[in-house]
Amino acid sequence: DGGITQSPKYLFRKEGQNVTLSCEQNLNHDAMYWYRQDPGQGLRLIYYSQIVNDFQKGDIAEGYSVSREKKESFPLTVTSAQKNPTAFYLCASSMQPNTGELFFGEGSRLTVL
Amino acid sequence: GENVEQHPSTLSVQEGDSAVIKCTYSDSASNYFPWYKQELGKRPQLIIDIRSNVGEKKDQRIAVTLNKTAKHFSLHITETQPEDSAVYFCAASSGGSGYALNFGKGTSLLVTP
Repeated sequence: DGGITQSPKYLFRKEGQNVTLSCEQNLNHDAMYWYRQDPGQGLRLIYYSQIVNDFQKGDIAEGYSVSREKKESFPLTVTSAQKNPTAFYLCASSMQPNTGELFFGEGSRLTVL
Repeated sequence: GENVEQHPSTLSVQEGDSAVIKCTYSDSASNYFPWYKQELGKRPQLIIDIRSNVGEKKDQRIAVTLNKTAKHFSLHITETQPEDSAVYFCAASSGGSGYALNFGKGTSLLVTP
């Protein structure tokens, strides 16, 4: 069954802790993305990667880090430097960057206690 | 980077009526304009897209129009049905400033029977 898998679906974290959200795709897509969704704010781009071992900051990259060591995987780390990390995080991939359909995962909801 | 404005933020129509959602963008180099639908608790999914060399595109009850001169594009849904109720997001490619989509803040559409 092809698609994008995000885990965990729900995550709770204490302030000051780093947490890593997993995103795996078996669609053989080159490009992968992380978006943050807050009520009334739409989807805001955190990081994106067009190819393995390369990634770029989006509009709200501060307090986040990513890696792209494999084509299938694009994990997002929410660090303690992120001031307001409680949000819904969506991972996506596309065959081509910028002009291809985005396929989204089911999302991960992070709550900081 | 690209700035995408979307209006209205909420829209309520009676079943059978038409619904129109409008978006403007700032980067004249943008060339790809998709629309995504997100049903409650689900992932966003592409419903229609348009490229800058086309002025209008239709797919059954939905259509998108693009005015490059004015830098705005619109989603039209005719003969609305209750299952059209969802949040709709417009997006634009960021053109020369990057290779990822920038999304509007979303329109919550409610179709009442």
